[in-house]
Amino acid sequence: DADVTQTPRNRITKTGKRIMLECSQTKGHDRMYWYRQDPGLGLRLIYYSFDVKDINKGEISDGYSVSRQAQAKFSLSLESAIPNQTALYFCATSDPGTGSGTGELFFGEGSRLTVL
Amino acid sequence: GDSVTQMEGPVTLSEEAFLTINCTYTATGYPSLFWYVQYPGEGLQLLLKATKADDKGSNKGFEATYRKETTSFHLEKGSVQVSDSAVYFCASWDPGKLIFGQGTTLQVKP
Repeated sequence: DADVTQTPRNRITKTGKRIMLECSQTKGHDRMYWYRQDPGLGLRLIYYSFDVKDINKGEISDGYSVSRQAQAKFSLSLESAIPNQTALYFCATSDPGTGSGTGELFFGEGSRLTVL
Repeated sequence: GDSVTQMEGPVTLSEEAFLTINCTYTATGYPSLFWYVQYPGEGLQLLLKATKADDKGSNKGFEATYRKETTSFHLEKGSVQVSDSAVYFCASWDPGKLIFGQGTTLQVKP
């Protein structure tokens, strides 16, 4: 089984619908992240969480919300999906290690979302 | 804010050719630098990293040297294989999170 699991892997929805993407991890890491990947734009950070009580906005948080239900679970919600949120979404985890951390992120396989 | 810029792709090479993918960064300090690779249909995985100036990261025949004078971290491989076909991302560590470049697609033909 994968260490970082994302569900669903593929989803097609309509404009205005509420969508939740879920992420669970078995690595025991405190830090979790949601990134969005678009062709030619690389990965952009949506939200990140350093522990259950800590949530931080990334560079493109507008239109998204997150919930850290437990150390192992971090879900991303689109309250009212729009077509330009069509993208590949990745969840990732990291171990802070010592000091400011190692920078190694462990990624899920991605959730492809299409908003019509 | 911090940013990472990579050369645009796609890069198409024949097997056994030499590879260079350019990467430059802007940052207020000296962040750790990384190369991640994304194979088709998969998530990203760490390829190599360097944590301070003049460090050389290496893995699977790929190398990159942290050059603070030119704020660069170019990825190189002496002889690419078809199995190296993937998207490559340069990234810098902005404490607590990674800042990614836009990615460079590499296609290696037999």
